[in-house]
Amino acid sequence: DAGITQSPRHKVTETGTPVTLRCHQTENHRYMYWYRQDPGHGLRLIHYSYGVKDTDKGEVSDGYSVSRSKTEDFLLTLESATSSQTSVYFCAISEGQYTEAFFGQGTRLTVV
Amino acid sequence: AQKITQTQPGMFVQEKEAVTLDCTYDTSDPSYGLFWYKQPSSGEMIFLIYQGSYDQQNATEGRYSLNFQKARKSANLVISASQLGDSAMYFCAMRGGQAGTALIFGKGTTLSVSS
Repeated sequence: DAGITQSPRHKVTETGTPVTLRCHQTENHRYMYWYRQDPGHGLRLIHYSYGVKDTDKGEVSDGYSVSRSKTEDFLLTLESATSSQTSVYFCAISEGQYTEAFFGQGTRLTVV
Repeated sequence: AQKITQTQPGMFVQEKEAVTLDCTYDTSDPSYGLFWYKQPSSGEMIFLIYQGSYDQQNATEGRYSLNFQKARKSANLVISASQLGDSAMYFCAMRGGQAGTALIFGKGTTLSVSS
C-alpha cells in the first residue's frame, strides 16, 4: 500500500473555528491533491500541488487554503468552518502526470 | 477546461454478466490520461485501470477493460463476468498534458450486482 496518511480521521468542530487537515506521504511523490466527497457530487477537487510551494486551485477552493512546505506534507485549512464544509475529505498522491493516484483513507469532518 | 461526464447514476447487473459504465470527457490537450477507480461501501478508493491518449490499444486489467474511442472522447469501463464484490461506486477521472494539470473526477456510477 502507498504510504499516505490523513489526520485526523474524524473531527467535529464548531462553525467559525479554523480547522487544519493533514496529509502525509512517505512515497516522495510530486503531486498531491485534496478532494471533498459529497453525495451526488462525486469527488470535487479543492486544491492540488505539483511541487513544494507550488499549488493551484481546484473547482471548489472557496473557503479553503493549502500549504506544502515540504514534499511529504500537504495541509488543508478551513479558515472559518461552515456547515456547508461538512464532508468527507480525501487526500491523494501521484508520482507523475500519467500514473495512478493513491488515496488516503479519508477524513470525515462535521461542522456543527 | 477539462470535464468528465458520467451519465449513469446507477446500473444493475446480474452475476456473471458483463456491464459497461460510460464516461465521456472533454479536453483541448492532445496528451492526457484517463483513469477508473472503484469505491466500495467501505469508502477506500481503488485504482482499476489507466489509458493514455496515445496508447494504440485499449487497456485491460484482468476482468476490467477500457473501451477507448478517442474521436468520440469516450472511455467506457467494461467489467466482464460481474461478481457480487463488484458492487460499488465507480469513478472516471482524467488528467491533461500540461505540467501541474489537475486530476479531475466524474460524479460516479453506482453499480449493483445481484445473484
